[in-house]
Amino acid sequence: GENVEQHPSTLSVQEGDSAVIKCTYSDSASNYFPWYKQELGKGPQLIIDIRSNVGEKKDQRIAVTLNKTAKHFSLHITETQPEDSAVYFCAASDTGRRALTFGSGTRLQVQP
Amino acid sequence: GAVVSQHPSRVICKSGTSVKIECRSLDFQATTMFWYRQFPKQSLMLMATSNEGSKATYEQGVEKDKFLINHASLTLSTLTVTSAHPEDSSFYICSARNDGINYGYTFGSGTRLTVV
Repeated sequence: GENVEQHPSTLSVQEGDSAVIKCTYSDSASNYFPWYKQELGKGPQLIIDIRSNVGEKKDQRIAVTLNKTAKHFSLHITETQPEDSAVYFCAASDTGRRALTFGSGTRLQVQP
Repeated sequence: GAVVSQHPSRVICKSGTSVKIECRSLDFQATTMFWYRQFPKQSLMLMATSNEGSKATYEQGVEKDKFLINHASLTLSTLTVTSAHPEDSSFYICSARNDGINYGYTFGSGTRLTVV
């Protein structure tokens, strides 16, 4: 089955700096890669996703890049704000047929 | 946007009793729903895949007789934790896969189960 590894486990940045979280996956059949933000006691919220037919996608301060050859994808958050502080999870699946396999999560702390 | 409603948000029950958690897709049809469990400071672990009108598929190590799943309609799946024990205390989260063209996975807000 799919295995998703995520790094780093914790990340502390100053407000206004950029944050980068990286994930690798093992199953070449995976072609859907979402990123979720989870706040304490709540369910995961989709913040951005990418499918394997594109290499990069951007939505305001958030961007995701995908390298299919190397089987890794990354989340980039620019101009971080204290409200960006949360746990971020990457995930992978194949055309929506399987359940998502999640990475281990990254706890992002943005220092004001 | 796609919304998944999960209830209750938190529940406390006594050991040996059963608890039912509901997961509803409010504005889309979901042939397939997923149930995850999340322990503190850990990732989401898939428990089972629920398909409308058929039996659920459980992940290895998940007891099907303990975690009963029913997916009787295209918008509702339920998870019943039977004969709950303190070790079943966890955060349970459902996810519905949108049957529409732009498929995606929408998550419920989670249920905090505490067994005392």
